[in-house]
Amino acid sequence: GAGVSQSPRYKVAKRGQDVALRCDPISGHVSLFWYQQALGQGPEFLTYFQNEAQLDKSGLPSDRFFAERPEGSVSTLKIQRTQQEDSAVYLCASSPIRGGDEKLFFGSGTQLSVL
Amino acid sequence: GESVGLHLPTLSVQEGDNSIINCAYSNSASDYFIWYKQESGKGPQFIIDIRSNMDKRQGQRVTVLLNKTVKHLSLQIAATQPGDSAVYFCAGAEYGNKLVFGAGTILRVKS
Repeated sequence: GAGVSQSPRYKVAKRGQDVALRCDPISGHVSLFWYQQALGQGPEFLTYFQNEAQLDKSGLPSDRFFAERPEGSVSTLKIQRTQQEDSAVYLCASSPIRGGDEKLFFGSGTQLSVL
Repeated sequence: GESVGLHLPTLSVQEGDNSIINCAYSNSASDYFIWYKQESGKGPQFIIDIRSNMDKRQGQRVTVLLNKTVKHLSLQIAATQPGDSAVYFCAGAEYGNKLVFGAGTILRVKS
């Protein structure tokens, strides 16, 4: 597609439920990032993939958060046993550059609300 | 500037005026900076970047100034238009490390 696509656009979960958020990066982009953006804050880094390899997951806030990119294209961010503090917008970004911070293309995000 | 929770700093300007959005950073080792624009319901969009070996860079209607002495970055938008209304974030990175975003500034353009 023309840009980074994320689905669902909105997700409401009951506390304790598991959720899966999908990211379709720009075709051919080797780097893929996940960010968490709380209301009124800047995005905060969660994890980074280079092709299918997860090279940095230092930003994942707990072991309830898990991300994968098995074929080096589509990525899924999974949150297990969601908590209210997980409510945020989850942004995916891709880049044609290895390391990629300098040429990030962001999706519109998934807004997660945990009740 | 600083912001806490929902209370982002807000800059209101009249259409046609110039806007200056400021950003302070703390990591003196940061060597790359980017300004992003984020409209409601969308992801951040790249505006302009600058490396630490420069103190000024110009784009179309935008200029970024970097003052490494006081660790300050600014974004100047010339002839501000209603379509410029958004939240603006600065982000910085030290070589080999991930981008760190600031909290953002709301720009409101009055017609």
